[in-house]
Amino acid sequence: EVQLVQSGAEVKKPGESLKISCKGSGYSFTSYWIGWVRQMPGKGLEWMGIIYPGDSDTRYSPSFEGQVTISADKSISTAYLQWSSLKASDTAMYYCARLGAAAILPLNWFDPWGQGTLVTVSS
Amino acid sequence: DIVLTQSPGTLSLSPGERATLSCRASQSVSSSYLAWYQHKPGQAPRLLIYGASSRATGIPDRFSGSGSGTDFTLTISRLEPEDFAVYYCQHYGSSPQTFGQGTKLEIK
Repeated sequence: EVQLVQSGAEVKKPGESLKISCKGSGYSFTSYWIGWVRQMPGKGLEWMGIIYPGDSDTRYSPSFEGQVTISADKSISTAYLQWSSLKASDTAMYYCARLGAAAILPLNWFDPWGQGTLVTVSS
Repeated sequence: DIVLTQSPGTLSLSPGERATLSCRASQSVSSSYLAWYQHKPGQAPRLLIYGASSRATGIPDRFSGSGSGTDFTLTISRLEPEDFAVYYCQHYGSSPQTFGQGTKLEIK
């Protein structure tokens, strides 16, 4: 069974750093793009970016470029989303999701999804 | 970037009725690279439709997708109680692969 398991909820203060994770299992981790999606409280889904663990090719939404870093460690089948200095506005649920088919180009839908990681940033 | 606009924002219907959700793109979506997702509170989003009209594995046939170019539609032929949720469209033909703002399907 293909599964994405995300790290647990986090409570942080503004200015702190954070790295959340998404571990893939049940498939060839290096052959599928993985992406991150943000959902702020009461809002819709926002596409943040994607990474191809095979060669670490990464694409960001202009809205998130420079604000977060997406990375992957193929030796442990895990993708990451990290912040160097959190803001209160980073409070949100973050989902990882795998693209639906193995491909070099990221021309695929998201399926399956991780369970989500709630990040709360508050002083 | 391609902007996806979903309408209506909220749709109030009763079980057994037909639901028609619209997704309009600011420019043509190449090769019908469009997906639909269902999202319920406390759960991860679930893929319903990809390629504009192909149902994902395990999705009931009351869900159907259609459209091409800039206009796409998700139709739920006969609403079941478990279908009331928020629905998003997403294009994936180019980066960034944006989502629409969502349509909330609520019980009337």
